[in-house]
Amino acid sequence: KNEVEQSPQNLTAQEGEFITINCSYSVGISALHWLQQHPGGGIVSLFMLSSGKKKHGRLIATINIQEKHSSLHITASHPRDSAVYICAVLNSGGGADGLTFGKGTHLIIQP
Amino acid sequence: DTGVSQNPRHKITKRGQNVTFRCDPISEHNRLYWYRQTLGQGPEFLTYFQNEAQLEKSRLLSDRFSAERPKGSFSTLEIQRTEQGDSAMYLCASSHGTLHADTQYFGPGTRLTVL
Repeated sequence: KNEVEQSPQNLTAQEGEFITINCSYSVGISALHWLQQHPGGGIVSLFMLSSGKKKHGRLIATINIQEKHSSLHITASHPRDSAVYICAVLNSGGGADGLTFGKGTHLIIQP
Repeated sequence: DTGVSQNPRHKITKRGQNVTFRCDPISEHNRLYWYRQTLGQGPEFLTYFQNEAQLEKSRLLSDRFSAERPKGSFSTLEIQRTEQGDSAMYLCASSHGTLHADTQYFGPGTRLTVL
């Protein structure tokens, strides 16, 4: 089973700061997802990556397959970015049981 | 709102009772997933359906759990003889593609509390 580690577990920053959240995994994967979970449970998919880099608005996600590492960056952070950010990976050649989620990074952006 | 709905949103039950949750996916989505999330943890895969067929179950899914998707549309998850350890958020997600890597759209979840 893939071990997915996220860091930091908790992050508090001031509005406008550049935010980086990291995700490392132990076993080769076919895809990695970044998800955003707001209080109350709602989960929204932000990115799906299998290589390289993706950008959507103020969010940037990168993945290094060789190093088994991905980062999620938020530029010009805003209080509405406050949420839990979860990294999820799909093992190479695995079935649905190969979907492994990290514990999440709890981000608070203060005005 | 992702278009995936779950009912009820909250359920409080006594140990030993049976509970049933419902998930209505986005209408054209052929895949439907169930996950369980406990406090401070990420979601854990329970089972998934391709149309009406249940194709995979996690070892986490004990005999007390059963899921159905009778017409390939909505799905139900039933827990029999609930235990306190079943207390968690139960999440449903759907996707359009045929790959587990495809983007999944999550419902708001059903929070179960077993007293």
